[in-house]
Amino acid sequence: SQQGEEDPQALSIQEGENATMNCSYKTSINNLQWYRQNSGRGLVHLILIRSNEREKHSGRLRVTLDTSKKSSSLLITASRAADTASYFCATPGAGSYQLTFGKGTKLSVIP
Amino acid sequence: EPEVTQTPSHQVTQMGQEVILRCVPISNHLYFYWYRQILGQKVEFLVSFYNNEISEKSEIFDDQFSVERPDGSNFTLKIRSTKLEDSAMYFCASSDGVSNEQFFGPGTRLTVL
Repeated sequence: SQQGEEDPQALSIQEGENATMNCSYKTSINNLQWYRQNSGRGLVHLILIRSNEREKHSGRLRVTLDTSKKSSSLLITASRAADTASYFCATPGAGSYQLTFGKGTKLSVIP
Repeated sequence: EPEVTQTPSHQVTQMGQEVILRCVPISNHLYFYWYRQILGQKVEFLVSFYNNEISEKSEIFDDQFSVERPDGSNFTLKIRSTKLEDSAMYFCASSDGVSNEQFFGPGTRLTVL
């Protein structure tokens, strides 16, 4: 099954700085999704990038995908305290809708 | 904006009791899922449901678990005889089946005593 693994495990930055999180996976994918989870809360879908896309933007979010390296990155620009959360990448299995999640990156944005 | 809802937000039960977790997926979605997250661990897939039947399930989803779509709006997860290790946050999700973007509910925190 796919394994999305994020790094770093934890990231602490000052408000206004950019935050970059990375995700690696092991097998071929059709798409890769990023989610946010505030402490003890639900998962919020941020963005989906397809395997034939290299970069995608949504507001302050920028996601890249490098299928040759089996990796993706999530960039949050001009971070805010409200961006403090855990961020996960998730990949579906081959021919499957089942999502496999990584352990996540815990982002702390200090005001 | 449409969203997935789940009830209750927190369920406390005694070991061996049956629990039913409820979800209302986004109305035009066709695929429904349950995931769980044990405290401090990864989100894990349990089961997917399409066209009134299970389409995939994980090893976690054993005979103690069942899912049902009893009417046109609700999607339930039943655990027949709860164990201590079933304590977790349970998330329902739904997707339209076209993009595979899965939208998650806020979760039900299940505590088994």
